[in-house]
Amino acid sequence: GAGVSQSPSNKVTEKGKDVELRCDPISGHTALYWYRQSLGQGLEFLIYFQGNSAPDKSGLPSDRFSAERTGGSVSTLTIQRTQQEDSAVYLCASSLQVGEQFFGPGTRLTVL
Amino acid sequence: GENVEQHPSTLSVQEGDSAVIKCTYSDSASNYFPWYKQELGKRPQLIIDIRSNVGEKKDQRIAVTLNKTAKHFSLHITETQPEDSAVYFCAASFSSNTGKLIFGQGTTLQVKP
Repeated sequence: GAGVSQSPSNKVTEKGKDVELRCDPISGHTALYWYRQSLGQGLEFLIYFQGNSAPDKSGLPSDRFSAERTGGSVSTLTIQRTQQEDSAVYLCASSLQVGEQFFGPGTRLTVL
Repeated sequence: GENVEQHPSTLSVQEGDSAVIKCTYSDSASNYFPWYKQELGKRPQLIIDIRSNVGEKKDQRIAVTLNKTAKHFSLHITETQPEDSAVYFCAASFSSNTGKLIFGQGTTLQVKP
């Protein structure tokens, strides 16, 4: 079946604007994760969903960041009033159970 | 706190040589340790993983060892090939309930033909 998909692949925005990033996990995967990867850095955990609930939001860097998941499937990460330090690749991953996480191709966000 | 340290940050080897990347983790309760390979501009791909009830796991030219007492684990690649060139990330799961992964900073491996 299809892997994890994300859209858009690239997003350029102006400082202060809001952006929405979308993740379509592998069908049937109940766990969904968002990570952020800054240039030349490792992956930084942002938020974890189990079904539609988010029991672990500990990685969200500020209240400008929020995420939701509907129907136990698609997830949207929203960044309000974007700042230049938000520029990074945002990666989504899904898994069937605790264990192997399958990553999407990421959304490269550039805040001018 | 939750932390994973990875060394070295860069590694250059000749084709056919072995490569070793090492990671340490902070939480003794961690129980799952995956390794991901990321080629330039691509998504991370799982290459091997190990759970805390196992000391070593091997898959063809790739092996991972885990020392729970010392809280470190290592990736071993034998008979390296140019296509092994990539960034490698170790990670540790700090929660058996959520599967949340904390990643190391990555190792850029260059295999020279």
